[in-house]
Amino acid sequence: EIVMTQSPVTLSVSPGERATLSCRASQSVGTRLAWYQQKRGQSPRLLIYDVSTRAADTPARFSGGGSGIDFTLTISSLQSEDVAVYFCQQYNEWPPLTFGGGTKVEIK
Amino acid sequence: QIELVQSGGGVVQPGTSLRLSCAASGFTFKHFAMQWVRQSPGKGLEWVALVWFDGSNEHYADSVKGRFTISRDNSENTVFLQMNSLRVEDTAVYFCGRDGGGVIAQGAVDSWGQGTLVTV
Repeated sequence: EIVMTQSPVTLSVSPGERATLSCRASQSVGTRLAWYQQKRGQSPRLLIYDVSTRAADTPARFSGGGSGIDFTLTISSLQSEDVAVYFCQQYNEWPPLTFGGGTKVEIK
Repeated sequence: QIELVQSGGGVVQPGTSLRLSCAASGFTFKHFAMQWVRQSPGKGLEWVALVWFDGSNEHYADSVKGRFTISRDNSENTVFLQMNSLRVEDTAVYFCGRDGGGVIAQGAVDSWGQGTLVTV
C-alpha cells in the first residue's frame, strides 16, 4: 500500500499571500496524483488531477507540481473562500486508492 | 449538471446490515466506474470500494473486504454499497463518487455525492 503523507497539518496564511502544501508518497506514483478541497460540512471537490491539470471550475490561483514522490499544491494568493482541508490522493498503484491525512488551511 | 444523490444511512447495531444507494444523473452513467469513499468523524478520507463501468469487476479496501459489496444497476443509474457485519469502526460519512477515468477506471473522483452518515 502506498502511504501518502501531507504537511503541514495546519497552515495559517494571510489573505493575498501564497500558500504551499506538501504531499509525499512512500513510493513513486508517477504523475497519478490528485488534490481535493473539502470545506467545512461539505463533500470533497476535485481541484487538480494528474499532478497539475486543473479540474473544471478550479480557479487559476491553484496550481499543482511535482512528480514521483514529492508534490505540492500552491495557492498563489489566498482568498477567504479557500479556507478548507486539502487532501492529496494517489491513483498510480491500486487497490487501495490512498489519501493523505489532509492539510487545514486557515486565514492568519 | 452531474448530480449524485445518496440515501440509506442511519443508526444500526454492530453485526447488522445496511444498504446505501447513490442515484446518478447528468451524465452517461454506464460509461463510468463508480466509487465509495468514507470519512470517520473529524478524520481524513478512506477509499472503500470501486466498481467498473459495466459491473464486471470490483475492488475493495482490506478493511471492508468480505463484508461490503459494491454493485450497480445501469438501467437505474444507481450504485449501491451493501454493508454487512457492521462494526463500530465503520461509523463514518459515506460518499459515492464518479471515477474520472470513464470506462477505464482511473482512481480520481471527479464528482461526489452529498454524503450519508452511518453510525454503528
